[in-house]
Amino acid sequence: QKEVEQDPGPLSVPEGAIVSLNCTYSNSAFQYFMWYRQYSRKGPELLMYTYSSGNKEDGRFTAQVDKSSKYISLFIRDSQPSDSATYLCAMSAKNAGNMLTFGGGTRLMVKP
Amino acid sequence: DVKVTQSSRYLVKRTGEKVFLECVQDMDHENMFWYRQDPGLGLRLIYFSYDVKMKEKGDIPEGYSVSREKKERFSLILESASTNQTSMYLCASRVGGNYEQYFGPGTRLTVT
Repeated sequence: QKEVEQDPGPLSVPEGAIVSLNCTYSNSAFQYFMWYRQYSRKGPELLMYTYSSGNKEDGRFTAQVDKSSKYISLFIRDSQPSDSATYLCAMSAKNAGNMLTFGGGTRLMVKP
Repeated sequence: DVKVTQSSRYLVKRTGEKVFLECVQDMDHENMFWYRQDPGLGLRLIYFSYDVKMKEKGDIPEGYSVSREKKERFSLILESASTNQTSMYLCASRVGGNYEQYFGPGTRLTVT
């Protein structure tokens, strides 16, 4: 079993929909959580970064961490065709040094 | 804005060739990373460097070596390219003590 699980999709939604992307993990030591967006043939770009449990909002994006359930989510409100990309979750433990553990990514398609 | 650049976007090499992939970051980051990204396998860490001339193996270092002679530059070397090294190679950097990493655009390497 992978340490971080992410449904690969594709997830297809109409423009304007609320999108929910999720990751589950098994390592209870993870405390730092990131979401990256990766457009086709490009490198991942950092979208959101949260520490420990709780919510963080940035424009149309909300990141949510539930450490008790070992579950993180990224919500996208009013989704746009330009949001079509692969979304990767990544996480790290406090004393893990330089290591990030990535999910496999979920491919999202927002149709006009 | 953090900028991480990679020397080539696309590269085609023959089996047995020595291949150099270059990565440069302009934000004076201490830590630099090389990943490969394959469908279904996500991002896997090959090597990282936490300082000039310092390096550590990641999860899949076999068949690769690295060089970091200057703080801003981190090179990945395939000593004798093989077809199973056909992949997308991503370089990343980060400030020491932080967890979020910043990625370059990637090099898609094909070994024939």
